[in-house]
Order: sequence, then C-alpha cells, then structure tokens
Amino acid sequence: SQQGEEDPQALSIQEGENATMNCSYKTSINNLQWYRQNSGRGLVHLILIRSNEREKHSGRLRVTLDTSKKSSSLLITASRAADTASYFCATELRDYKLSFGAGTTVTVRA
Amino acid sequence: DGGITQSPKYLFRKEGQNVTLSCEQNLNHDAMYWYRQDPGQGLRLIYYSQIVNDFQKGDIAEGYSVSREKKESFPLTVTSAQKNPTAFYLCASSNPGQGRKLFFGSGTQLSVL
Repeated sequence: SQQGEEDPQALSIQEGENATMNCSYKTSINNLQWYRQNSGRGLVHLILIRSNEREKHSGRLRVTLDTSKKSSSLLITASRAADTASYFCATELRDYKLSFGAGTTVTVRA
Repeated sequence: DGGITQSPKYLFRKEGQNVTLSCEQNLNHDAMYWYRQDPGQGLRLIYYSQIVNDFQKGDIAEGYSVSREKKESFPLTVTSAQKNPTAFYLCASSNPGQGRKLFFGSGTQLSVL
C-alpha cells in the first residue's frame, strides 16, 4: 500500500492564484520530497524537507512539514500556465526507499 | 548533457513475449530504480539497485527481472509471467550524498497487443 496520500486529487485555478496541496503519510520518515510530472514525462524533483525541518522555500514553492500530524503541504504562489502538471509527494522511509502518493493534478487556467 | 535515458519511448508486447526496457545514466549515481505508474495511481517500486552486481525486489517485483552489470545501466525485463504489463515505466537514479533525490528518465509506455 502507498505511504503518502495527496489531497485534493485535482485542482483548477486561475493564473496568478496560489495553489495548495497536502500530503499525509502513515509511518516515520527520514525526509519528504515533492516532485512534478508533466503529462507523459518523467518526474522532476522540486524540493526536499528533512524530518527535523518545519518549512522550506524554493522560488515560488513553499513546503511545510508537521511530523506530529504526519502531513506536509506544498504551496505554489502566483501560479503560471507552465505550473500545470501533476504533483507527487514522496516519503523516504527508514529503509531509504521512497514511497509515492497518487498525486494532485493541477490545472492553471489562463 | 548529464541525465537518464530510457528507451524505447513506446513498446508493444505480444502475448507470451518477454520485453526489455533500457535505462542508462551518465550521472555517476550508485543507486538505480524502476517504478511502474498506472493511470491515477502513484509510482510503485519494482526493483532497485544500490550498487553494481546487487539489486533488491521492490513492492511489485513478480513478473519482472533486472540486472546491474554496469554502474550506468539497469535494464528491466517484463516477462510473460507479468499478466498485466500495460503501464508507464520510469527509471530513476540517485546518490546518497544528495539526500536520495531521484533523477528520472522520460519513461517507457508499454502496451499489450
């Protein structure tokens, strides 16, 4: 079974708006990562947050991690058409394997 | 350019046939992985290799086989024992020193004729 679950499954926003998606997981982790996948392509790493970190920024991306609630959120600010993609959280477990959620599909409307 | 190359991009398998998906990386990464992606689902780990000449089963290894004879190469064979092979297959690599961030290839879409 998959460790992480993203919410919502799909999100449609207007260009310029912010997009927020959440990830919940079940067991203790070493770190949590977010990836983006454009249709029919491979995944691209966006950001990694370690289990002892609470917040991390990278450009227009902001990731939070709450280990007590076993959850993380990804915020994309000032969205652009190019942000249209599927976003996956991946949790690195104690045995160093990455477990992926089913993803959130984000559509940015012009 | 450094990266991971998967080939072919599209592959068709006939009933009872084994097919091999290629994955080559020039990133000098020690670890390599194969994932399967079905529509609307996340990635599921098939096999992974932390070092040359060694590999471990992932969560859904049945019906698949791999080899890791060279650091740069990690081919995946989908055998006739895999009854539902239609999926998007992704190869990835990583280096422990980079926090196990995965670098992915562009994928192979396998379909059954």
